[in-house]
Amino acid sequence: QLHLQESGPGLVTPSETLSLTCTVSGVSLSGGRYYWGWIRQPPGKGLEWIGTIYYSGSTYYSPSLKSRVTISVDTSKKQFSLKLSSVTAADTAVYYCALRVGPTGHYFDYWGQGTLVTVSS
Amino acid sequence: EIVMTQSPATLSVSPGERATLSCRASQSVSTNLAWYQQKPGQAPRLLIYGASTRATGVPARFSGSGSGTEFTLTISSLQSEDFAVYYCQQYNNWPPITFGQGTRLDIK
Repeated sequence: QLHLQESGPGLVTPSETLSLTCTVSGVSLSGGRYYWGWIRQPPGKGLEWIGTIYYSGSTYYSPSLKSRVTISVDTSKKQFSLKLSSVTAADTAVYYCALRVGPTGHYFDYWGQGTLVTVSS
Repeated sequence: EIVMTQSPATLSVSPGERATLSCRASQSVSTNLAWYQQKPGQAPRLLIYGASTRATGVPARFSGSGSGTEFTLTISSLQSEDFAVYYCQQYNNWPPITFGQGTRLDIK
């Protein structure tokens, strides 16, 4: 059974860097044509795509966040990571990691449970 | 950026009845559209991709249709566990991938 789990600080100071890691279990990732993504959801609001890293290592970011975002993957550790720099209160949200394992398309068929990150001093 | 607009914002339906949710794209997304279900305190769950293909384990009462700019998610006979928020997502023109604002499906 494929499982994703986010981890990282629940509280980040304004202007600092938010760092989260997603650990994947229950699947062999070698050779798979997976998409690894991060999506966030401010409290009481809708979903916002942050970015995706392909199995090839190519990265794609939301234009509105591109200058502050870095996504990386370490398949040997079955982990992928999100770094968001210069955070403000507007970055307070539940952050989800997600994975596309299924047929071609940039959707996500497996999601982590989400982790709330609050930006506050 | 493609803007996804869902309607209505809230839909009240009785158990056992049919629910029809709409999603409109600001420009054509072909059939590169997904639907997700989200219950309070939970992560989104993929229901439909490719506009009409049910994801693994999704009950047959969920069906998706449409292409281009107009899409529909239909739940044929509502069960108690179906009351949730539903989001559409386009993946035809990206970045960015974009989501609709959601339709909340309430018990009538």
